[in-house]
Amino acid sequence: ELKVEQNPLFLSMQEGKNYTIYCNYSTTSDRLYWYRQDPGKSLESLFVLLSNGAVKQEGRLMASLDTKARLSTLHITAAVHDLSATYFCAVAPPVNNAGNMLTFGGGTRLMVKP
Amino acid sequence: ETGVTQTPRHLVMGMTNKKSLKCEQHLGHNAMYWYKQSAKKPLELMFVYSLEERVENNSVPSRFSPECPNSSHLFLHLHTLQPEDSALYLCASSHDRGPYEQYFGPGTRLTVT
Repeated sequence: ELKVEQNPLFLSMQEGKNYTIYCNYSTTSDRLYWYRQDPGKSLESLFVLLSNGAVKQEGRLMASLDTKARLSTLHITAAVHDLSATYFCAVAPPVNNAGNMLTFGGGTRLMVKP
Repeated sequence: ETGVTQTPRHLVMGMTNKKSLKCEQHLGHNAMYWYKQSAKKPLELMFVYSLEERVENNSVPSRFSPECPNSSHLFLHLHTLQPEDSALYLCASSHDRGPYEQYFGPGTRLTVT
């Protein structure tokens, strides 16, 4: 059974600071997704990471994937208040094992304070 | 309409009621999903339909019954629910080939009284 763990579960940080959210998973996968959810809203796709060593950046967020370590990171650079949200990683099983079925981590609730 | 839409956005129902949730996607996808999001658990996959055939039900209680009449529409029929079924129900869609990126609807907030 695929298990996905995120840490920290809650993160309070000052504006302008840097921090990293970690996503560990338990079985082989080469596809990992990051989503953002604002309170009372749905999930918004941020990044799709499809291979070992993949790195993607959008604004102040950068995501990377290490399939050998079964680890993905979401790095926040110079945080701003608008980044306050809950961030989820989701991992897909190998394609020949029904590739559509994502397992989500528990989420990291990020609060950026002025 | 664009993206993935869900109706109703909010639903309050008694334990003896029967109701249905509706999802529609306008993205040309051919796989659709139902998820449950509750305060105490991570996002849980309930059902997957690919090319209108169910491929996974993930041990969901029979009081939840999905229906996928075509690749653009997905329903979740509800009957004799329990209070612990109160949650946000999210619909998503994707292509049935890589990278399988899923796009989510706004969700239906369900309260069972």
